[in-house]
Amino acid sequence: NAGVTQTPKFRVLKTGQSMTLLCAQDMNHEYMYWYRQDPGMGLRLIHYSVGEGTTAKGEVPDGYNVSRLKKQNFLLGLESAAPSQTSVYFCASSYAGTLTGELFFGEGSRLTVL
Amino acid sequence: EDQVTQSPEALRLQEGESSSLNCSYTVSGLRGLFWYRQDPGKGPEFLFTLYSAGEEKEKERLKATLTKKESFLHITAPKPEDSATYLCVGRAAGNKLTFGGGTRVLVKP
Repeated sequence: NAGVTQTPKFRVLKTGQSMTLLCAQDMNHEYMYWYRQDPGMGLRLIHYSVGEGTTAKGEVPDGYNVSRLKKQNFLLGLESAAPSQTSVYFCASSYAGTLTGELFFGEGSRLTVL
Repeated sequence: EDQVTQSPEALRLQEGESSSLNCSYTVSGLRGLFWYRQDPGKGPEFLFTLYSAGEEKEKERLKATLTKKESFLHITAPKPEDSATYLCVGRAAGNKLTFGGGTRVLVKP
C-alpha cells in the first residue's frame, strides 16, 4: 500500500537551474497539496489542487508552478532555482480537503540549491 | 494573522516520565485543531482531530485536549518509540491550515 510517493528524495541544484518534483497517490484522493518545511518554522503551503485539472496558490507560491493533469499526480516545478528554495518539500493528499485535518503525507524531497 | 505556537521546542524525558506539550493558537474562527507525529526523515502522520473546547481524544499513551486558547498533548508513561516531533495544526474558517513549529520529544530508556 504505497500511499503518497515523492520523487526524487534528494536533489542538488545550482542557482538558475530548473527541476520538477513528482507526487503520486494511489488513494483516489481529490485534494493534493505541496508544502515546504524549513527549520524552526511550520509547514507552509505552496500550491494545492481540489481535483484533476485544477490548481490554486497557497501561502508561498512565488517561484513555483504546479500541474495536475491526472488525478493521481501533482507536479511541483521550479523554473529558476534560488538558494531561498533550499528546503524539504512535502506532498500530501486528502479525501475531504482540510475538513477532518487528516492529510496523508509523502516522505519528503530534500532540495539544496547552491 | 493566524498563529500556532508550540512549547517547549524540545523535550527530553526518561522512559515512564509523563509530560505535556502545549499548543497555543490564535486562529480566526477555529474549525478544528489537529495533531500530527513526524519521525526524522519522514512526513507527518495524522494523530487526532479536536473540534470544540472540552473535547478529548486518546490513542495509546497519547491524549489530546482542547480549550478555547490552547491544546495539550499529554504523553503518559512514554516509551522510546514515542520519540518524534509532534506538530499542532489549526484550521481556520476559510479552510486554511496553520502549522506550529513542532515539539521534538526524545524519550530515553
